[in-house]
Amino acid sequence: SQQGEEDPQALSIQEGENATMNCSYKTSINNLQWYRQNSGRGLVHLILIRSNEREKHSGRLRVTLDTSKKSSSLLITASRAADTASYFCATDYRGGSEKLVFGKGTKLTVNP
Amino acid sequence: GAVVSQHPSWVICKSGTSVKIECRSLDFQATTMFWYRQFPKQSLMLMATSNEGSKATYEQGVEKDKFLINHASLTLSTLTVTSAHPEDSSFYICSARVLAGARGEQFFGPGTRLTVL
Repeated sequence: SQQGEEDPQALSIQEGENATMNCSYKTSINNLQWYRQNSGRGLVHLILIRSNEREKHSGRLRVTLDTSKKSSSLLITASRAADTASYFCATDYRGGSEKLVFGKGTKLTVNP
Repeated sequence: GAVVSQHPSWVICKSGTSVKIECRSLDFQATTMFWYRQFPKQSLMLMATSNEGSKATYEQGVEKDKFLINHASLTLSTLTVTSAHPEDSSFYICSARVLAGARGEQFFGPGTRLTVL
């Protein structure tokens, strides 16, 4: 299976703290994306990072990519209760047909 | 921009009936749409890739006769779950590939929750 893995599976923090989620994948990629999903809802695209990029920022989000380790991390700084959601990484594998392979996700709970 | 809608947002049906789910790109054209299913507390699993004007490409293990996909226009793809059974109960999500967008960039619909009694 090409499915990636996220860790931790679940993360519970206090408002204001930073949250770090990791994603590992198995083969070479064109890009890696992070999505957020509130319970029972659709996915919201957060960030796309290409294979030749190492770091990307968007507001309170920071994504890193280490292609040598086949891993990525998503950092949410100064978390808020509204950040409570599941976060998934998704990879577009090189040589593939542009379909995305999703990781298992990290369920983040930010306590007020 | 890049809004994808799904209809219905939820549906309850009896075992043995067929259910059609629509996925529309509202403000852009999508030559390719993707259909995923998601079981509770699990990740999204790709079911099929839907290409406008041609047959869908199904992932291994997905029954093409059970999950009929039609991508009749650049803004609409439909998924029909035929002869639905309780094990088909799931959250179905579609996404659309922007025609001139970056590789791998997909926009997701809000999902359809199917419950088969």
